Amino acid sequence: EVQLLESGGGLVQPGGSLRLSCAASGFTFTNYAMTWVRQAPGKGLEWVSAIDLSGGYTFYADSAKDRFIISRDNSKNTLYLQMNSLRAEDTAVYYCAKDRGGDDYAWSWGQGTLVTVSS
Amino acid sequence: NFMLTQPHSVSESPGKTVTISCTRSSGSIASTYVQWYQQRPGSSPTTVIYNSNHRPSGVPDRFSASIDSSSNSASLTISGLKTDDEADYYCQSYDGTNRVFGGGTKLTVL
Repeated sequence: EVQLLESGGGLVQPGGSLRLSCAASGFTFTNYAMTWVRQAPGKGLEWVSAIDLSGGYTFYADSAKDRFIISRDNSKNTLYLQMNSLRAEDTAVYYCAKDRGGDDYAWSWGQGTLVTVSS
Repeated sequence: NFMLTQPHSVSESPGKTVTISCTRSSGSIASTYVQWYQQRPGSSPTTVIYNSNHRPSGVPDRFSASIDSSSNSASLTISGLKTDDEADYYCQSYDGTNRVFGGGTKLTVL
């Protein structure tokens, strides 16, 4: 069974930084791209960033470019999201997701971690 | 870049059938796979359709999906509606290396 366990969320002041982690199990981590998706309170899903199988290629939504850094440690089956220069509008639940692998586009989702940016 | 547009809300009675559309603004809807996610209140999303028309194990065959190139849209159909189907539903596809979500549709079963 696929399990994705996010951690690292919390309350941070505007301009601050936070690092999210996502521990993956139940599948071959190195066979899948991984993604971060966020959901602001009462709003829809917004894709944030994705990373390829090896970690050599990273992709960002415009809202995350130049502020967020996605990475993965395949030896630890763990995905990360380093978030810098945080703004109030970054307040959201952040979900880690197993993205596509080969022709398998069946995403799996974690339970999410709440990030609140407020003074 | 393209957008995926969904109706904001739909409602239907238990036992009936409902269809939720997802229209792609530019480019062909058939050019990349479409996924559908269900999100019940207070829960994380789960996949109900992947690769445009495949169901993960555990998703009942009451859930089906299709692609209509003439309207450039994807559709999720839920038959035999149950109150447990009440949730938000999101379509998702790929724009090159970017992932694109529809705005979500709130399904009310009453």
